[in-house]
Amino acid sequence: SQTIHQWPATLVQPVGSPLSLECTVEGTSNPNLYWYRQAAGRGLQLLFYSVGIGQISSEVPQNLSASRPQDRQFILSSKKLLLSDSGFYLCACSRGPTNTEAFFGQGTRLTVV
Amino acid sequence: AQSVTQLDSQVPVFEEAPVELRCNYSSSVSVYLFWYVQYPNQGLQLLLKYLSGSTLVESINGFEAEFNKSQTSFHLRKPSVHISDTAEYFCAVRSMDSSYKLIFGSGTRLLVRP
Repeated sequence: SQTIHQWPATLVQPVGSPLSLECTVEGTSNPNLYWYRQAAGRGLQLLFYSVGIGQISSEVPQNLSASRPQDRQFILSSKKLLLSDSGFYLCACSRGPTNTEAFFGQGTRLTVV
Repeated sequence: AQSVTQLDSQVPVFEEAPVELRCNYSSSVSVYLFWYVQYPNQGLQLLLKYLSGSTLVESINGFEAEFNKSQTSFHLRKPSVHISDTAEYFCAVRSMDSSYKLIFGSGTRLLVRP
């Protein structure tokens, strides 16, 4: 079964600094990949999703971007962090169309100060 | 466009009582339906899913959910809850088209009291 690696687990960054969160997947090829932000009372907000290398769909216009340079690598970035970017970020993958279950990484807690 | 609505942010119940967690969705394309659970200090894991066929699906720990197409609902039920069911429950939909877009509701925190 697939395993998702996310790092770092915790990150404290100053306002205006850049961000790069990495997610890699093992145990499957050509996965569908997702970035979510989880906030208390607001559930999981879909930020970006990707069905293949270089193919990125953005859900919410904001201060973040995503890239998929390799089949099993998904990167969440920002050029200049805002205080409002603080949150818990989760990477997920699924295999489609026959295998519909999504698997999640352990998440990154980002605090912008 | 797709959306998932979980109207109840928190549901407190006593142990051994029945519970229903509500989920409604809207989508312009056909979707698969899911319930995920997040136990305290743990990651999300799949609880049950509806793909096709019988509209009533069950999990291994006694939960069930029924797909109602006319009401666009996928409510989660359990006839008798345990303390160990205390967790946050998320309803989700994934489009059947090639976008594989997966979106979640805002979650319902189930608090089971002795």
